[in-house]
Amino acid sequence: GAVVSQHPSRVICKSGTSVKIECRSLDFQATTMFWYRQFPKQSLMLMATSNEGSKATYEQGVEKDKFLINHASLTLSTLTVTSAHPEDSSFYICSARGSSGGTDTQYFGPGTRLTVL
Amino acid sequence: QKEVEQNSGPLSVPEGAIASLNCTYSDRGSQSFFWYRQYSGKSPELIMFIYSNGDKEDGRFTAQLNKASQYVSLLIRDSQPSDSATYLCAVALYNTDKLIFGTGTRLQVFP
Repeated sequence: GAVVSQHPSRVICKSGTSVKIECRSLDFQATTMFWYRQFPKQSLMLMATSNEGSKATYEQGVEKDKFLINHASLTLSTLTVTSAHPEDSSFYICSARGSSGGTDTQYFGPGTRLTVL
Repeated sequence: QKEVEQNSGPLSVPEGAIASLNCTYSDRGSQSFFWYRQYSGKSPELIMFIYSNGDKEDGRFTAQLNKASQYVSLLIRDSQPSDSATYLCAVALYNTDKLIFGTGTRLQVFP
């Protein structure tokens, strides 16, 4: 139980294009999903908290117009990196909060490695 | 600034030994504590969570929590080379949805 998937697993794009990443909870409903970014040899940095049916809450320093988050259903959240630039290259990981194991246990997707040329 | 601190390591232990990983946190109101394992190039996977003071055992893993000292640790018994990874300590901030992660401790188990 508590499986989270992400798609795509890897994407390479040209500077200026937009990239959409999907995060799905496969066997449970997730009212809250989280989006993280991880640069090499650094820890996870929370970008935003996504609640189903409402606007995402962004962490300080994260541009909401650049990182668009949509949480359309209890099993799907999407992150769109708009007008991506090389400095946006990173490992993007989503997590979903499930009831299994505790009310605030987060289960992570496998991540999406974004490379912007 | 709420912080979670870990020694970055690497912590090197021989196969079969006990690996001890430590974490301190600054938010005294925190109630939930998690240990995740992250292999290179992969996303974190949950190992254990702990809410109450004391020890919690799951197989070869034991989590220890001391809220008075704001300290949480993870013991890995009978360490295996496959345990070699970065171990992330995460703390749920009081009355929020958020987890704050430490920078992780890299564990190396050598045969």
